Amino acid sequence: GENVEQHPSTLSVQEGDSAVIKCTYSDSASNYFPWYKQELGKGPQLIIDIRSNVGEKKDQRIAVTLNKTAKHFSLHITETQPEDSAVYFCAASRGSYIPTFGRGTSLIVHP
Amino acid sequence: GAGVSQSPSNKVTEKGKDVELRCDPISGHTALYWYRQSLGQGLEFLIYFQGNSAPDKSGLPSDRFSAERTGGSVSTLTIQRTQQEDSAVYLCASNSLGNTEAFFGQGTRLTVV
Repeated sequence: GENVEQHPSTLSVQEGDSAVIKCTYSDSASNYFPWYKQELGKGPQLIIDIRSNVGEKKDQRIAVTLNKTAKHFSLHITETQPEDSAVYFCAASRGSYIPTFGRGTSLIVHP
Repeated sequence: GAGVSQSPSNKVTEKGKDVELRCDPISGHTALYWYRQSLGQGLEFLIYFQGNSAPDKSGLPSDRFSAERTGGSVSTLTIQRTQQEDSAVYLCASNSLGNTEAFFGQGTRLTVV
């Protein structure tokens, strides 16, 4: 089955800095890579996703990159703000099949 | 409702008791997933429903865990003879056929004392 590794487990940055979270996956058939943000006491919420037919996708201050050859993908947050503080999860799946999640990254943005 | 609803939001139970956790998916969503999130851990897959059938139960950690879904809607996760290691947040998610985005509920925090 699929195995998703996520690093780092904790990331502390100053407001305004950039944050990068990296994930690797094992199943070369995976073709859908979502990123979820989980705020305290809430369920994870999709913030951005990328499919295997593109290498990069941007949405305002967040971007994702995908390297299918190396089987890794990354989340980039620029100009971080305190409200970006949360746990971020990457995931990989084949289409709409069951996503496999990474262990999560706790992002702390210091004002 | 507009989103995935889970109840109760918090549950404290004594070791050895049975518990039932409920998930109300988004109306019309055919797929439903249960995940477990232990402290500092990722999202551990438990079971997946497509309609009322569960084609993948591979994540259930023991035979004390079971789940059912009726009417293609509400699902119940049952944990029998609870143990302290069952303490975690149990998350439910749903999505519609052909749609990759999974929508999560707020979770049920289970504490076994």
